[in-house]
Amino acid sequence: EAQVTQNPRYLITVTGKKLTVTCSQNMNHEYMSWYRQDPGLGLRQIYYSMNVEVTDKGDVPEGYKVSRKEKRNFPLILESPSPNQTSLYFCASSSDGSFSYEQYFGPGTRLTVT
Amino acid sequence: GDSVTQMEGPVTLSEEAFLTINCTYTATGYPSLFWYVQYPGEGLQLLLKATKADDKGSNKGFEATYRKETTSFHLEKGSVQVSDSAVYFCALRSNSGYSTLTFGKGTMLLVSP
Repeated sequence: EAQVTQNPRYLITVTGKKLTVTCSQNMNHEYMSWYRQDPGLGLRQIYYSMNVEVTDKGDVPEGYKVSRKEKRNFPLILESPSPNQTSLYFCASSSDGSFSYEQYFGPGTRLTVT
Repeated sequence: GDSVTQMEGPVTLSEEAFLTINCTYTATGYPSLFWYVQYPGEGLQLLLKATKADDKGSNKGFEATYRKETTSFHLEKGSVQVSDSAVYFCALRSNSGYSTLTFGKGTMLLVSP
């Protein structure tokens, strides 16, 4: 089954404790992306990657890091989480980054930073 | 920059009622337009899309027409069901090379029996 998987689905952590949210897709997609979803703000892009070893900032990259060492994986790293990073995070992928292709979304990771 | 404006929710309807969720956009050129749906506890799923002016996207009884002259992409369904209760996101993607997907803030739809 074609899918995007994320782990963990739920995470509660404390300020400053480094964490990684994993994202993996099995569709051989070139393009992957991370979003955060906050009430009243919709989805905002954090980082995206057009291919292996190619990443770029989205609209809200501060406090996040990403890496794309393999085509299928695109982990999101919070080196020193803060309470304002409490949010619902979605990973997405698509065949490429061009404008007509849909993105496939993972189920989401709900992160709480205390 | 690009932006998408959706009507605020929640939209509450009775089963079999007609649905319209308004969406307007600001973008340069001719973007592709999308409607995504998010069911409770799940990720977003593409509902329909349109890639050029006057295109009509349709799926599962939902329709939306790409109106360049009014920069709109309103979502409609003739008869909603309880199972349509979800959050609906309008989004656009610029056609200027590789680009990000810009989302509206989402509109919650609640359908009662």
